Amino acid sequence: NAGVTQTPKFQVLKTGQSMTLQCAQDMNHEYMSWYRQDPGMGLRLIHYSVGAGITDQGEVPNGYNVSRSTTEDFPLRLLSAAPSQTSVYFCASSYAGSAAYEQYFGPGTRLTVT
Amino acid sequence: DQQVKQNSPSLSVQEGRISILNCDYTNSMFDYFLWYKKYPAEGPTFLISISSIKDKNEDGRFTVFLNKSAKHLSLHIVPSQPGDSAVYFCAAREPLSINNDMRFGAGTRLTVKP
Repeated sequence: NAGVTQTPKFQVLKTGQSMTLQCAQDMNHEYMSWYRQDPGMGLRLIHYSVGAGITDQGEVPNGYNVSRSTTEDFPLRLLSAAPSQTSVYFCASSYAGSAAYEQYFGPGTRLTVT
Repeated sequence: DQQVKQNSPSLSVQEGRISILNCDYTNSMFDYFLWYKKYPAEGPTFLISISSIKDKNEDGRFTVFLNKSAKHLSLHIVPSQPGDSAVYFCAAREPLSINNDMRFGAGTRLTVKP
């Protein structure tokens, strides 16, 4: 049981480049989310999904796209990278029936946009 | 506008003593509060939670207290151990959230000295 996995761990992009951050979970969780963490700020929700084929925007969705074709995978696409997207990105999943609403996080992807 | 605030970026305590981490929030409609612990190069991991209808929840060395009138919660760690050294995030669940959406504080770095 690997939990939530993310690839790559580190990435450097030039402004204007696009890329996809991968996220997968093997816990059969219904909910999956993408967060970004910036210095001095808490984790902020980018996009989320409540099941395969269903996604919606979070707090800071601009510049990002997501899709959820399977329960396991939830990739995050940066359409045209900007320096403001330099951040640490965390994918998380959770079980719809969880009593404590806890989320399980991946190890993160540290992205630098130059 | 940050709805969840952790005003102390760092805290240092001696091994064996009590660690108290604080968190304030502005939205009185939050219905669940969680604490996460994060080690370097890892994702946050769930530690303990409390429902808004309770004022205390205990799990081993960890106790969370909720003061709804003051919109304040705190995490007590007794006794503190060097392995507790990590960044602690407070999170609050968005009311009526369909995906366990959380608002996170910026985190407090706890250092427990041997």
